[in-house]
Amino acid sequence: GQQLNQSPQSMFIQEGEDVSMNCTSSSIFNTWLWYKQDPGEGPVLLIALYKAGELTSNGRLTAQFGTTRKDSFLNISASIPSDVGIYFCAGLSRSGNTGKLIFGQGTTLQVKP
Amino acid sequence: EAGVAQSPRYKIIEKRQSVAFWCNPISGHATLYWYQQILGQGPKLLIQFQNNGVVDDSQLPKDRFSAERLKGVDSTLKIQPAKLEDSAVYLCASSRLAGAGTGELFFGEGSRLTVL
Repeated sequence: GQQLNQSPQSMFIQEGEDVSMNCTSSSIFNTWLWYKQDPGEGPVLLIALYKAGELTSNGRLTAQFGTTRKDSFLNISASIPSDVGIYFCAGLSRSGNTGKLIFGQGTTLQVKP
Repeated sequence: EAGVAQSPRYKIIEKRQSVAFWCNPISGHATLYWYQQILGQGPKLLIQFQNNGVVDDSQLPKDRFSAERLKGVDSTLKIQPAKLEDSAVYLCASSRLAGAGTGELFFGEGSRLTVL
């Protein structure tokens, strides 16, 4: 089946540092998304990318849809303690009139004040 | 706008017992999803409803799991009998659009199941 591979699995950084994480797949996706999950909560959408090569920002977050449509990248600039959480990439796979959202295994981010 | 509501938040049962989870999606959302999230992993889709019809249940273990969406609104997910490996957080999500959608899902807080 389709799988998304995220790296790194976990990161421990100092407040103020920039963070980069990525997601790769052997399958092509038409839409890439990035979600964040806080402890005890459900994932929340951060950024959605709909076109190959697209670069989109949301505050300190920037994400890119890879040109091969098989990968995506998320950057967080000037990290703050509330950035702590698990970041999931997700690919939307369309089949006929339905879409199926597949998640990566997550990147856990810890920020030291 | 109220979010996705799930209950119970926590449930502990013994193996071979049964359990049911309830989900009330955001009002007017056409598509409802149940995901299973095992500790340390990403969410895995169990079943997807569009209005009150099933559009994808390919990863639902149908010998023990069942789900229904009543009148295209609320949904219940049942496990009977439970196994140890069913210990996980069960996440309900909804999205506004029918069809292929945009991938923008709104998740509930989840129901954490522990099977002893």
